[in-house]
Amino acid sequence: KAGVTQTPRYLIKTRGQQVTLSCSPISGHRSVSWYQQTPGQGLQFLFEYFSETQRNKGNFPGRFSGRQFSNSRSEMNVSTLELGDSALYLCASSYRLAANPSTDTQYFGPGTRLTVL
Amino acid sequence: QQQVKQSPQSLIVQKGGISIINCAYENTAFDYFPWYQQFPGKGPALLIAIRPDVSEKKEGRFTISFNKSAKQFSLHIMDSQPGDSATYFCAASLPGGYNKLIFGAGTRLAVHP
Repeated sequence: KAGVTQTPRYLIKTRGQQVTLSCSPISGHRSVSWYQQTPGQGLQFLFEYFSETQRNKGNFPGRFSGRQFSNSRSEMNVSTLELGDSALYLCASSYRLAANPSTDTQYFGPGTRLTVL
Repeated sequence: QQQVKQSPQSLIVQKGGISIINCAYENTAFDYFPWYQQFPGKGPALLIAIRPDVSEKKEGRFTISFNKSAKQFSLHIMDSQPGDSATYFCAASLPGGYNKLIFGAGTRLAVHP
């Protein structure tokens, strides 16, 4: 079974631009979560989607948004990029039968390395 | 209340030795405690996880010890190997957290041959 895939793997943008990152979960997984990883702040939760609905959100500004499609693929968007948005953005997927709120085993992709100049 | 404090920041162990990484938390409502391993250029990979109704869980060379009263849990890597050299993260989540993991700061482990 293929793992979580993220595209692109590397991205360079300039301040003020916007960016869209893509995540394809493991086949059959319906929950997708996004995390930001930086040397200073570590791994921080951005948001989680299940069946196209955002169910939880971390403490990030509204410039960070996401969505999930009917095939469970997810995208996250960052608008008006700032230097501090430079990070590794990780997507994780998990298998879930129903929309219960507990925590499943999450499988992470390799991440998208975003550099903002 | 939402933090998970991890120590040490870095660890050097000789091949064959035991690596021990500790985490502490404040929120007694946390109900799921996983450990992740991350190699450079890769995403974190789940190693082992525990729920608070169990005091210890072992999978191969990896053991989680959980102390509910002290609000601490630790990862023990027995017979550490150079291939175990990686960054290790503990994490915790709340019931009703919808997969939101709160991570510790990470421990960089180096196993010397």
